[in-house]
Amino acid sequence: EVQLVESGGGLVQPGGSLRLSCAASGFTFSSYWMHWVRQAPGKGLVWVSRINSDGSSTSYADSVKGRFTISRDNAKNTLYLQMNSLRAEDTAVYYCARAGAGGSYYVGYWGQGTLVTVSS
Amino acid sequence: SYVLTQPPSVSVAPGKTARITCGGNNIGSKSVHWYQQKPGQAPVLVIYYDSDRPSGIPERFSGSNSGNTATLTISRVEAGDEADYYCQVWDSSSDHAVFGGGTQLTVL
Repeated sequence: EVQLVESGGGLVQPGGSLRLSCAASGFTFSSYWMHWVRQAPGKGLVWVSRINSDGSSTSYADSVKGRFTISRDNAKNTLYLQMNSLRAEDTAVYYCARAGAGGSYYVGYWGQGTLVTVSS
Repeated sequence: SYVLTQPPSVSVAPGKTARITCGGNNIGSKSVHWYQQKPGQAPVLVIYYDSDRPSGIPERFSGSNSGNTATLTISRVEAGDEADYYCQVWDSSSDHAVFGGGTQLTVL
């Protein structure tokens, strides 16, 4: 069974930093692209970032480019999102997501999410 | 950047057919994926590559995509289908995923 368990969320002041982790199990982690998707309270889904299977290629939404860094440790089956210079508008539930079995450009499985609150 | 447009809400009576649209410029040339999200839960993939269903998703869920509109169709709607539904494509020009704004399905 595919499992994605996020951790690292919490309350942080504007301008602060936070690192999210996502522990993956139940599949060959090193074979799949991974994504981060966020959802502000009461709002829709917004794609944040993706990383390819070996970590050599990444992409970011314009709203987080230059502030967030996605990475992975295939030996530890773990995905990360380093978030710097956080703003109030970054407040959201952050979902770790695995690409679909049939391709990299959609989400086949989602974690339960971790809440990040940026507030003074 | 590529934009996907969904109606904010759709209402349907139990047993009837619900159709949720997703509009985008020449969306028919892209692959469209659909997710269902119930309150307080993570999203779930219900349709991928326009019309394929993951295992465990009822046959009542189907999808189509042509021209400037993709459609998620839910036949014989049940109370348990009440949820938010999101369409998604990959914008290859920007190497970004794009989600529609979401449609709240209400079962009357």
